[in-house]
Amino acid sequence: QKEVEQDPGPLSVPEGAIVSLNCTYSNSAFQYFMWYRQYSRKGPELLMYTYSSGNKEDGRFTAQVDKSSKYISLFIRDSQPSDSATYLCAMSRRSGNTPLVFGKGTRLSVIA
Amino acid sequence: SAVISQKPSRDICQRGTSLTIQCQVDSQVTMMFWYRQQPGQSLTLIATANQGSEATYESGFVIDKFPISRPNLTFSTLTVSNMSPEDSSIYLCSVEGWSSGSSYNEQFFGPGTRLTVL
Repeated sequence: QKEVEQDPGPLSVPEGAIVSLNCTYSNSAFQYFMWYRQYSRKGPELLMYTYSSGNKEDGRFTAQVDKSSKYISLFIRDSQPSDSATYLCAMSRRSGNTPLVFGKGTRLSVIA
Repeated sequence: SAVISQKPSRDICQRGTSLTIQCQVDSQVTMMFWYRQQPGQSLTLIATANQGSEATYESGFVIDKFPISRPNLTFSTLTVSNMSPEDSSIYLCSVEGWSSGSSYNEQFFGPGTRLTVL
């Protein structure tokens, strides 16, 4: 079993739809949970991070972490064509001096 | 934040040859990470490079195949040696830094080097 599982998609939605992206993990030591966005031919960029369990909202994006279920989610409201990218979940045990463990990434297309 | 550049951005190489990828950061950093992103696969850590010490390699990756240099706090190179088609991948370097107003030590990524081995 991989440490982090993520459905690679692809996922195609119409503009304005609510998008739900998810990851599951097996290592209970993970404390930091990140979502990265990667546009074609670019490096990943951090979209949001969450420490431990709970919700975090930033504009149209909401990240949720359920440590009891080892399940994290990213919701995108009012999706836009500019949201079309690959979304990677990532996790780590601590903040700083530690590599990240990534999911495979979900390729999202938002159709105008 | 950190701005990272990589050279080359892409290359097509012949089997059995070697390619050295450069990573330049606009600020001094302690640790640099090298990742591989194969098609349909997650980013996989190859090694962690600290300035002034030997790189630390992850399981499945060895120094003879992926030698790394870290001559100073803003620069690193990764060499992919004796390449085979299985080495075709995107190679990314990454550094940590504090984002403005954040309490989280974020990882910043370079744009990647897209390698194709024939």
